[in-house]
This record gives sequence, C-alpha cells and structure tokens, in this order.
Amino acid sequence: GAVVSQHPSWVICKSGTSVKIECRSLDFQATTMFWYRQFPKQSLMLMATSNEGSKATYEQGVEKDKFLINHASLTLSTLTVTSAHPEDSSFYICSARGGGAFEQYFGPGTRLTVT
Amino acid sequence: GDSVTQMEGPVTLSEEAFLTINCTYTATGYPSLFWYVQYPGEGLQLLLKATKADDKGSNKGFEATYRKETTSFHLEKGSVQVSDSAVYFCARGAQKLVFGQGTRLTINP
Repeated sequence: GAVVSQHPSWVICKSGTSVKIECRSLDFQATTMFWYRQFPKQSLMLMATSNEGSKATYEQGVEKDKFLINHASLTLSTLTVTSAHPEDSSFYICSARGGGAFEQYFGPGTRLTVT
Repeated sequence: GDSVTQMEGPVTLSEEAFLTINCTYTATGYPSLFWYVQYPGEGLQLLLKATKADDKGSNKGFEATYRKETTSFHLEKGSVQVSDSAVYFCARGAQKLVFGQGTRLTINP
C-alpha cells in the first residue's frame, strides 16, 4: 500500500514552453503533498507544500509564478513549470501524506530536461 | 538554518562487510530523524526512524540510534548484501523534511 506515482517519468521540452508533472496517490487519500527538487549528487530541496483545496505554501526562494502547484483532489497534485529555461532542468520528486499520518510516501521522480 | 550532513559517497563494500554511514544534524529542539533508501528507478522509501533521544530505529538489519549529545544518527548494518546497493538519505523534521545529500552505496559480490 501507500503508492505514489508520477507522470511523466522524464520529459524534454524546449526553452520557453511549459510542462506539467502529475503526482498521484494510488491507494490512499493525500491531504498533503510535497514537491521537491533534486540536483545531481545533491540533496532533495523542498519547493512547496500543498494541502488539498488550498493554495500551496512555497519555500523561500522558490518562484510561485514559475512553479505552479495545484492540489485539486485528494489523489492528485500537479506541478507546472512555466516558461521553462535550461536552469530548470532537474529531477522533481513529489511525496504525499494522508490525513493524520506522519510518514511521507514518495513518487519515483520526474526528470525534466529543458533544451 | 537546520541542516543534515552525511558522509560523502560513493561507498563500495564487499558482501558481508560492516556498514556505517555517518549522519549529523543541526536543529533547534528535538526533531524526528529518518533514514530513507532509494533503489534504482524507484521513489524514496522510509527505512527507519527515531522520534526522540536514545531511540533506536531498525529495519531489514539496519539500525540507527538518535544521539542527542553528538547530534548524530549514524546508519549501521552488520553484514551487507548486494541487494542493499542503493542511495541512502538521512533526514530530519516532522511536518517538513530536511535531507542530507545522499550516500550511494554499492555492494560487490
């Protein structure tokens, strides 16, 4: 149980375009979802926290107009990278937590390459 | 700010060797501490956790003890297997997790 999926697993897009990444909790209701970014050989950095039906809370230094997060249902959150640039190329990971639960369950990640 | 520091990898060991991956943290208060493991092509999985000082988390032969006096949470296993090859992340927090940089472990047969 407690499976989180991400789609796509990898995506290549051209500079200036937008790309959407989906995060789904497959077998539980995720009241809270987290989006992380991971650079090569570096740690996961929390980008934002979203609660179902509420606006996301962004970490300091993360541009909310560039990284749009929607958590419209208890099983789906989306991250849209708008007007992507090569420096946005990274590995994006989501995690989800059910109501009252302590543990976060992680998706397998999405590798974004902006050319 | 709060941070987590892990020993740099990669770490390469032979099967049945003893493993230690060091982890230290800085934090105000007494955070919960975690070790996550990421196998190739998969998401991070919680390996073990400890929520208060002197707690020992254990799972699949791995252990880590919450040491408040040294602000450490070192991961140990007495006899590693090839299947333990993965990237290991130390983390602290509760509502929000702060991760170390990860340590890639390779076990050779």
